[in-house]
Amino acid sequence: EAGVTQSPTHLIKTRGQQATLRCSPISGHTSVYWYQQALGLGLQFLLWYDEGEERNRGNFPPRFSGRQFPNYSSELNVNALELEDSALYLCASSLGQAGADEQFFGPGTRLTVL
Amino acid sequence: AQSVTQLDSQVPVFEEAPVELRCNYSSSVSVYLFWYVQYPNQGLQLLLKYLSGSTLVKGINGFEAEFNKSQTSFHLRKPSVHISDTAEYFCAVSGSGSARQLTFGSGTQLTVLP
Repeated sequence: EAGVTQSPTHLIKTRGQQATLRCSPISGHTSVYWYQQALGLGLQFLLWYDEGEERNRGNFPPRFSGRQFPNYSSELNVNALELEDSALYLCASSLGQAGADEQFFGPGTRLTVL
Repeated sequence: AQSVTQLDSQVPVFEEAPVELRCNYSSSVSVYLFWYVQYPNQGLQLLLKYLSGSTLVKGINGFEAEFNKSQTSFHLRKPSVHISDTAEYFCAVSGSGSARQLTFGSGTQLTVLP
């Protein structure tokens, strides 16, 4: 069974540009979560999508946005990039269960903002 | 709101010695508890989880953890470590309903010395 996949592996942008990161969940999973792992800031929750809807978002500015497609894949968009957006962005998928919702992580996209 | 504290940022230990990585959490509601491992330049892999029931949880690679509700702790243990256990370990909590995202601790770097 294929795991969570993310693309691209690495992404280099300059300040002010936009970045688009993509995530394909495990087959049968309907929920997708996005996390940011920035140096010195640890792992922080960004966004949660389930059945095509945004269910919750973390404490990030509106220039971080995303969507979930009918096939449950997802993309994360970061507008007006700032240097501090440089980080590893991790996507996780889950079955979307009402109780404990075990999340399975992809390998991440390393975003570098110059 | 939920929070997780990992008390040790770095833990060096000799090969074949036992190890304990400490984790304390706070939450106003019932939570689910997880330990993840991250090898360099990779995503997160689930080691073990506590959802309910027995407070002693066994995971992969010989790791186990004990949930202590009165002390709000979920410490990770392994009786004998190997060089290959060198990695960063994250404790995390999640809730239910609209709070299913993971809240992570700051991580503990475990370094196994020969």
